Amino acid sequence: GDSVTQMEGPVTLSEEAFLTINCTYTATGYPSLFWYVQYPGEGLQLLLKATKADDKGSNKGFEATYRKETTSFHLEKGSVQVSDSAVYFCALRVNAGGTSYGKLTFGQGTILTVHP
Amino acid sequence: DAGVTQSPTHLIKTRGQHVTLRCSPISGHKSVSWYQQVLGQGPQFIFQYYEKEERGRGNFPDRFSARQFPNYSSELNVNALLLGDSALYLCASSLAGLGNEQFFGPGTRLTVL
Repeated sequence: GDSVTQMEGPVTLSEEAFLTINCTYTATGYPSLFWYVQYPGEGLQLLLKATKADDKGSNKGFEATYRKETTSFHLEKGSVQVSDSAVYFCALRVNAGGTSYGKLTFGQGTILTVHP
Repeated sequence: DAGVTQSPTHLIKTRGQHVTLRCSPISGHKSVSWYQQVLGQGPQFIFQYYEKEERGRGNFPDRFSARQFPNYSSELNVNALLLGDSALYLCASSLAGLGNEQFFGPGTRLTVL
């Protein structure tokens, strides 16, 4: 079945440090890939997405490139801020019909803490 | 515009009881999905409804059921609660169709004692 694996966390960084959170996936179809962010006490917010191989999603300084050859979608940011502290989830959606209509499959999440 | 709303915010139940969680989608959205997020894990897909019909079901027991109403709001019902049902239950809505972004609500925190 479809699955997403994220790097073990938590991740603790100082402000302005470089961030990488690794994400790899297994999918039976042709997935779209997503990064969601969850701030304390809130629901999930879509951070960025990529719908086909070699696409780069970007938002708020975060980037991730859809790598079909390595089945990866690593999240990066050049300079993190304290306000980026949150839980980050990698997810996929297989673009096929039937009972998987719209279903998102999530990784286990990575807790990011950024210190001043 | 209001986002996805869920009620109640928090809920405490005892084993064996029944619970109903409610979700109102963003205006104009016709699809609602439910996810269970156990503490420390990623959300797990439970159901998706579109135009009042079930379009997807995750690997959850029959104790879990849902429905969607003509106004596109939705209810998630869980019978015979177990301790392991304690989780954050998230609702997400989308316009329709496979390619549309899902917008998540803040969730309902269910604690089963």
